[in-house]
Amino acid sequence: SQQGEEDPQALSIQEGENATMNCSYKTSINNLQWYRQNSGRGLVHLILIRSNEREKHSGRLRVTLDTSKKSSSLLITASRAADTASYFCATDDMRFGAGTRLTVKP
Amino acid sequence: NAGVTQTPKFQVLKTGQSMTLQCAQDMNHEYMSWYRQDPGMGLRLIHYSVGAGITDQGEVPNGYNVSRSTTEDFPLRLLSAAPSQTSVYFCASSYGTSWNEQFFGPGTRLTVL
Repeated sequence: SQQGEEDPQALSIQEGENATMNCSYKTSINNLQWYRQNSGRGLVHLILIRSNEREKHSGRLRVTLDTSKKSSSLLITASRAADTASYFCATDDMRFGAGTRLTVKP
Repeated sequence: NAGVTQTPKFQVLKTGQSMTLQCAQDMNHEYMSWYRQDPGMGLRLIHYSVGAGITDQGEVPNGYNVSRSTTEDFPLRLLSAAPSQTSVYFCASSYGTSWNEQFFGPGTRLTVL
């Protein structure tokens, strides 16, 4: 299984701070995706990074990929209360880890 | 575009009952899939389909059947509901393969008594 595993399991920060969460996986990938899930809702796609990319940006999101370490990180800059959600990574076969639960306090 | 729709939103079943969870998408996506999410956990893949007439098993297929007679619809059938199938079920679709951005439905919350 290429299941992604997120770390930390939970993260609590103040509004305006940056949030970093990590994802590790076991085997070679073609791409890696990050998703957000607000409580009780479906997942929303945030960003996809391909195996030949090292970094990708989308608004306040920055994703890095290190294929040699089989890891990825998601950075949310200048966090807002609305960023409170669970964040998941997924590899090619769309298997998800348990996610990182982010709480942004106003 | 309605995107991915799921019905019903909530369902309560008794052990042994059967039911079908409906999923439809209007984006002409080839790839569709079903997941279950248990409290505090990630999603686990139940079944998926790469196109009409083609289905395959995911990580946790036991107790579930699927069919894909059209591109738009991908129903999930519980054959004989068990309390262990109490979960939230999500349907998703994407253009092409699972490698692409997945669009998720709002979920069906199922309780089996």
